[in-house]
Amino acid sequence: KAGVTQTPRYLIKTRGQQVTLSCSPISGHRSVSWYQQTPGQGLQFLFEYFSETQRNKGNFPGRFSGRQFSNSRSEMNVSTLELGDSALYLCASSLGDRSFLSGNTIYFGEGSWLTVV
Amino acid sequence: GDSVTQMEGPVTLSEEAFLTINCTYTATGYPSLFWYVQYPGEGLQLLLKATKADDKGSNKGFEATYRKETTSFHLEKGSVQVSDSAVYFCALSGPSGGSYIPTFGRGTSLIVHP
Repeated sequence: KAGVTQTPRYLIKTRGQQVTLSCSPISGHRSVSWYQQTPGQGLQFLFEYFSETQRNKGNFPGRFSGRQFSNSRSEMNVSTLELGDSALYLCASSLGDRSFLSGNTIYFGEGSWLTVV
Repeated sequence: GDSVTQMEGPVTLSEEAFLTINCTYTATGYPSLFWYVQYPGEGLQLLLKATKADDKGSNKGFEATYRKETTSFHLEKGSVQVSDSAVYFCALSGPSGGSYIPTFGRGTSLIVHP
């Protein structure tokens, strides 16, 4: 079956702009989480959604936001982009709620590479 | 808060050598522990996991045992292949102060030469 799909794969934005990234989870998965990966900070958790509700949020400023739709697809938005937002943004999906807590398998997409200039 | 410490990389080995990547953690409660692998140009894949003390996770010849007494989850493989070249991430998540934010190590790059 199809894996986690993220679009776009690559994008370049200018400081001050905003960006929206999209994630389609594996069919039947209702939990979607987002991560930021950078060489300096490693992999950091942004937020998780389950059944259109945000279940948990990492330590990122309010410029980072997300949402989940009734079909489980998710988007994340970053407003007022800064150079430091350049990163690989990974989406992951899993079957149940709070999957990391329960030890469920989480499937990652290939990510969206964002470059801010 | 919770934290995961992995050995610095890159780790460079010849094919068929024995691999150990160290991982230690700090957490309250009893977290689940994971190893993820990221092949060049791809997303993260779950390699193996363990959900309680003394559990051994295994997959594709890799193994890791949940050691509560030493708060460790070291990754091992008896004979590595060139195709194992990737970045490996140790991670944990579990009840911690009411939250369950997954915490990752910084990753260890493995390079295997023929």
